[in-house]
Amino acid sequence: GQSLEQPSEVTAVEGAIVQINCTYQTSGFYGLSWYQQHDGGAPTFLSYNGLDGLEETGRFSSFLSRSDSYGYLLLQELQMKDSASYFCAVKDDDKIIFGKGTRLHILP
Amino acid sequence: ETGVTQTPRHLVMGMTNKKSLKCEQHLGHNAMYWYKQSAKKPLELMFVYNFKEQTENNSVPSRFSPECPNSSHLFLHLHTLQPEDSALYLCASSQGQGVNTGELFFGEGSRLTVL
Repeated sequence: GQSLEQPSEVTAVEGAIVQINCTYQTSGFYGLSWYQQHDGGAPTFLSYNGLDGLEETGRFSSFLSRSDSYGYLLLQELQMKDSASYFCAVKDDDKIIFGKGTRLHILP
Repeated sequence: ETGVTQTPRHLVMGMTNKKSLKCEQHLGHNAMYWYKQSAKKPLELMFVYNFKEQTENNSVPSRFSPECPNSSHLFLHLHTLQPEDSALYLCASSQGQGVNTGELFFGEGSRLTVL
């Protein structure tokens, strides 16, 4: 079967740093993506890791270790607008399979 | 505005009705997808089309029938649905096979309620 595991909820303080982990078990693997979804909105793409290592895009960074079937999304200098659900997703050829999502709560 | 437009945004239907969801992308992409998003469940992949050809059917019940007349349009025909089919149906597009960026562009979704 195919599964992606990530925490259901994470809480952090405005201005702080938070890391959302994702482990996966899939039949095929091309890369790991991260998406953000605000309540009532559509998921929006944040980052993609096709190779091991760290990818940085502004305040957001994403990491992948293929040997460990593990990745994470790192959000720095948290802002209230970052309150949303974050999904990791595995690209397996034509398919992109999503995890259940992590709800990020940010406290002022 | 993501370049992917879904209509209708909200739909209420009885179990004996027939309705269709429509998706249109203006991004020049070659792959289109249907996902189902229910409360407390991950986005479930339903169908994938590459260059108008269906390349993935994720064991979806036959009461959901996709149609992809060209690379820009995707439909989901619905008939004799069940209340548990109530969900947000999301359409997405990507550049397609051979482009390994993992980036999907989603529409705003069609919120379906089956009575």
